[in-house]
Amino acid sequence: DAKTTQPTSMDCAEGRAANLPCNHSTISGNEYVYWYRQIHSQGPQYIIHGLKNNETNEMASLIITEDRKSSTLILPHATLRDTAVYYCIVRVAGIRGSQGNLIFGKGTKLSVKP
Amino acid sequence: DGGITQSPKYLFRKEGQNVTLSCEQNLNHDAMYWYRQDPGQGLRLIYYSQIVNDFQKGDIAEGYSVSREKKESFPLTVTSAQKNPTAFYLCASSYTMRQGNQPQHFGDGTRLSIL
Repeated sequence: DAKTTQPTSMDCAEGRAANLPCNHSTISGNEYVYWYRQIHSQGPQYIIHGLKNNETNEMASLIITEDRKSSTLILPHATLRDTAVYYCIVRVAGIRGSQGNLIFGKGTKLSVKP
Repeated sequence: DGGITQSPKYLFRKEGQNVTLSCEQNLNHDAMYWYRQDPGQGLRLIYYSQIVNDFQKGDIAEGYSVSREKKESFPLTVTSAQKNPTAFYLCASSYTMRQGNQPQHFGDGTRLSIL
């Protein structure tokens, strides 16, 4: 799986949009971009994933650049409960052996401040 | 509600003792996974199972064992051979491993400590 690069930490004001960047310059054409978050002492929570097109769900939006080398997770109106570590992961589409597993790096610690 | 249930939430192990962590899912998922997380670190894969009665070693399987006798259950045993078992253990499941667009969903974890 391709590696990802994320900033170590970010701050965001409550009520504002939080934009979390991720670089995945070695991504392959059949690899999906996944975002998870982990609140302290809880299991990771799935947020969103995409392949080429931008995606939106009730939690967030995912913007993938045309060359697919980077993406941005957008939380449109951040709340204090969005404070967490956010993980960007790329995952191959065709599964052989352990290729389907998620490789979590250290992620971005997002702090939402009042 | 559908989901993944891990128990217990906290577990203490004595030296030389085997302990078993429970993971149950009612999502009708074929694939299940066990990860280990150490403080300030990402997740590392211990074992995974693509289907009932099948499981494969992950990146750090030494000192651990699993079984998959039922679709909804994937217990993890931490054996006495695991010399550094103190960690946060996470179980996950997904509809299948064969398609990359199927997200994994996680339980709330079991925190294991050594007495």
